[in-house]
Amino acid sequence: GAVVSQHPSWVICKSGTSVKIECRSLDFQATTMFWYRQFPKQSLMLMATSNEGSKATYEQGVEKDKFLINHASLTLSTLTVTSAHPEDSSFYICSAREQGRAKDTQYFGPGTRLTVL
Amino acid sequence: AQSVTQPDIHITVSEGASLELRCNYSYGATPYLFWYVQSPGQGLQLLLKYFSGDTLVQGIKGFEAEFKRSQSSFNLRKPSVHWSDAAEYFCAVGASGNQFYFGTGTSLTVIP
Repeated sequence: GAVVSQHPSWVICKSGTSVKIECRSLDFQATTMFWYRQFPKQSLMLMATSNEGSKATYEQGVEKDKFLINHASLTLSTLTVTSAHPEDSSFYICSAREQGRAKDTQYFGPGTRLTVL
Repeated sequence: AQSVTQPDIHITVSEGASLELRCNYSYGATPYLFWYVQSPGQGLQLLLKYFSGDTLVQGIKGFEAEFKRSQSSFNLRKPSVHWSDAAEYFCAVGASGNQFYFGTGTSLTVIP
């Protein structure tokens, strides 16, 4: 149980284009999902907290107009990197907080490798 | 301020040897503590968690961790390491309804 998927697992795009990454909780409902960014050999940096049916909360220094987050249902959150540039290349990981008994545990997706040329 | 420290950036152990990964935290409220493992190019897998109760918690893959409030520590242990345990290990702290704070990670290399 508590499986989180991400799609795509990797994507290569040209500079200036937009890329959408999906995060799904497959077997549980998640009112809260989190988006992280991870640089090589570094820890996870929280980008934003996504709450179902409301606006995302962004961490300081994260451009909300560049990293659009939508959490339209209890099982799906999307991150759209708009007008991507090479410096946006990174490993993006989502996590979902499970409602109910283990509600304070975050389960992580497998990550999405974004490369911007 | 909330923070998590993993003092060891990289650890190398021989297969079959015991392992201990250190984690110290600073958190104003009663913390929830977690250990995750990440293989290269993969997401994070939950190894174990501590919310309350018995301070020695058992996790998957033969791992255990002990919460010591007096030392603000939550060290991860395994009595006998397998080659497949080579990965990056992250300690995290949070509280009910709040975000997680992650340590910088410890990279584990296992020598045959």
